[in-house]
Amino acid sequence: DVKVTQSSRYLVKRTGEKVFLECVQDMDHENMFWYRQDPGLGLRLIYFSYDVKMKEKGDIPEGYSVSREKKERFSLILESASTNQTSMYLCASSFLPSEQYFGPGTRLTVT
Amino acid sequence: AQRVTQPEKLLSVFKGAPVELKCNYSYSGSPELFWYVQYSRQRLQLLLRHISRESIKGFTADLNKGETSFHLKKPFAQEEDSAMYYCALSETSGSRLTFGEGTQLTVNP
Repeated sequence: DVKVTQSSRYLVKRTGEKVFLECVQDMDHENMFWYRQDPGLGLRLIYFSYDVKMKEKGDIPEGYSVSREKKERFSLILESASTNQTSMYLCASSFLPSEQYFGPGTRLTVT
Repeated sequence: AQRVTQPEKLLSVFKGAPVELKCNYSYSGSPELFWYVQYSRQRLQLLLRHISRESIKGFTADLNKGETSFHLKKPFAQEEDSAMYYCALSETSGSRLTFGEGTQLTVNP
């Protein structure tokens, strides 16, 4: 079974803080993705990576950055958290980009 | 740019009734279409893909290129089908997925 884990299920941060969300997969997948999930907006792609140290912007990269130093780990960074970044964040990995395996999600609240 | 639209945010049916979740897309190439599902307190997971033409948990979906649609259907809904359903599109090059807004399906007893 593919296992995608995320470092926290719930996170509360203050405006302006730097926030790190970690994602680890154990299936040697090349592709990894970060989404945010908001009611009525569906899943929106923030960033994705198809190889170590490679990254591509998704649809809503503003305010976010990513890091992929190792194949199994993909980190999402909020340089200066803002209240409009309060959301559910989902990480996914895949061998084929179309068949993605998702983590449990991190519900981030920025106050 | 590709786009996926799910016109119904909420859909409620009774157990045993047919259910159809609508999905429309816009893409100039030959897309691959998928349905993902998220049950309560579970992870988002792949339900089915159009190229496999299979039925999963009684659900089927047919790609209609003329109408640019990929509606998900089930003839007899069950309570355990209650979940959030997302339609997704993969471009010909296959580098990423584009998801729709999602439809929350509730099957009432």
